[in-house]
Amino acid sequence: DQQVKQNSPSLSVQEGRISILNCDYTNSMFDYFLWYKKYPAEGPTFLISISSIKDKNEDGRFTVFLNKSAKHLSLHIVPSQPGDSAVYFCAASDFPGGSYIPTFGRGTSLIVHP
Amino acid sequence: DADVTQTPRNRITKTGKRIMLECSQTKGHDRMYWYRQDPGLGLRLIYYSFDVKDINKGEISDGYSVSRQAQAKFSLSLESAIPNQTALYFCATSDAGTFSYTFGSGTRLTVV
Repeated sequence: DQQVKQNSPSLSVQEGRISILNCDYTNSMFDYFLWYKKYPAEGPTFLISISSIKDKNEDGRFTVFLNKSAKHLSLHIVPSQPGDSAVYFCAASDFPGGSYIPTFGRGTSLIVHP
Repeated sequence: DADVTQTPRNRITKTGKRIMLECSQTKGHDRMYWYRQDPGLGLRLIYYSFDVKDINKGEISDGYSVSRQAQAKFSLSLESAIPNQTALYFCATSDAGTFSYTFGSGTRLTVV
């Protein structure tokens, strides 16, 4: 059973508009959340993270929001650029015994149209 | 040079053959991982190693084995490849105490 769910396999957005990628999780023990970005023919790269003690973390055009009661997080990209077109993976970890091994969602493919 | 190098980048092999995928890193990280990506299934953990003497199974280790030859090298073997092992394989590294991974560029494996 999926513990980290990205229910939208794809998202298409106009350049300059906001992109909102969503992620839901089922394990209430998860306390650290990450987003990775993956371009074709490359490995995923770390984008942004958030601890469960926060509800928002911002890095430039990227903001991650966490709603613990709803077990939901979202990644906002404002403004969206064509270079943001990639697959975005949500990941979450419950930090058992210091393992720091996250569980990944299935990814959302973002296409930003010029 | 890339921080995490995977070889080969692409490989086609026949059912029943033994194949090894190699990973080397220059990050100096103790922790190394092998993931598999299938379309629509995201990244799934095959094996991980927290140091040279530590090897652990991930969620989908059946049909795979690994060897940690040195801090910088972690190889994944398919003893007898089968078609449903056709996938994109990623090696990753991380420092202890961090969630941020550095991934290699991947090996695309096709088993025919």
